[in-house]
Amino acid sequence: SQKIEQNSEALNIQEGKTATLTCNYTNYSPAYLQWYRQDPGRGPVFLLLIRENEKEKRKERLKVTFDTTLKQSLFHITASQPADSATYLCALDNYGQNFVFGPGTRLSVLP
Amino acid sequence: ETGVTQTPRHLVMGMTNKKSLKCEQHLGHNAMYWYKQSAKKPLELMFVYSLEERVENNSVPSRFSPECPNSSHLFLHLHTLQPEDSALYLCASSLYSRASGGYGNNEQFFGPGTRLTVL
Repeated sequence: SQKIEQNSEALNIQEGKTATLTCNYTNYSPAYLQWYRQDPGRGPVFLLLIRENEKEKRKERLKVTFDTTLKQSLFHITASQPADSATYLCALDNYGQNFVFGPGTRLSVLP
Repeated sequence: ETGVTQTPRHLVMGMTNKKSLKCEQHLGHNAMYWYKQSAKKPLELMFVYSLEERVENNSVPSRFSPECPNSSHLFLHLHTLQPEDSALYLCASSLYSRASGGYGNNEQFFGPGTRLTVL
């Protein structure tokens, strides 16, 4: 069956460290993979998009990798800050057939 | 603000009521989406409209009825809901073109959501 998993439901990290979040998928063939941030009671906000032929994408303190062999994307936040505390969602497109979100990882950056 | 507005922000309704959720986007997008987000569950895509035509319906119960009168407005009509339908209902919009990669090659802009409680 098709499945998207994100490494853990919650992740605690010390301020200044690098947070690494994982998105693994099974029985999908995504041409694109996206990452979103969601704060409590609000809609998700787009962060980054990576294509299947791209290994890595960066935006300021954010970095995303995409390994179609491992069927995995990693999302990194460097020099993390308490303001980075939120739930992070990965989402993938299955060749235009549908668009599905993972369950999310709740990140807490501790001062 | 994301350019996508939703009303009302909160709604409490009985199981026999009929109500509607409204979404409006000011971004010039040609695709709009309804999602359901329940506690402890991933975002579930309910409906997708592209150029005002419904292109996807993920086996949603008929007590949810979408309407897209034009590319800027999207409604979700609710009737005889169940308590398990209580959730955050999110609207989103994006550019869409099957030629340029379909859904996944375009970021989605979400509204703030409607918190629905069914008693």
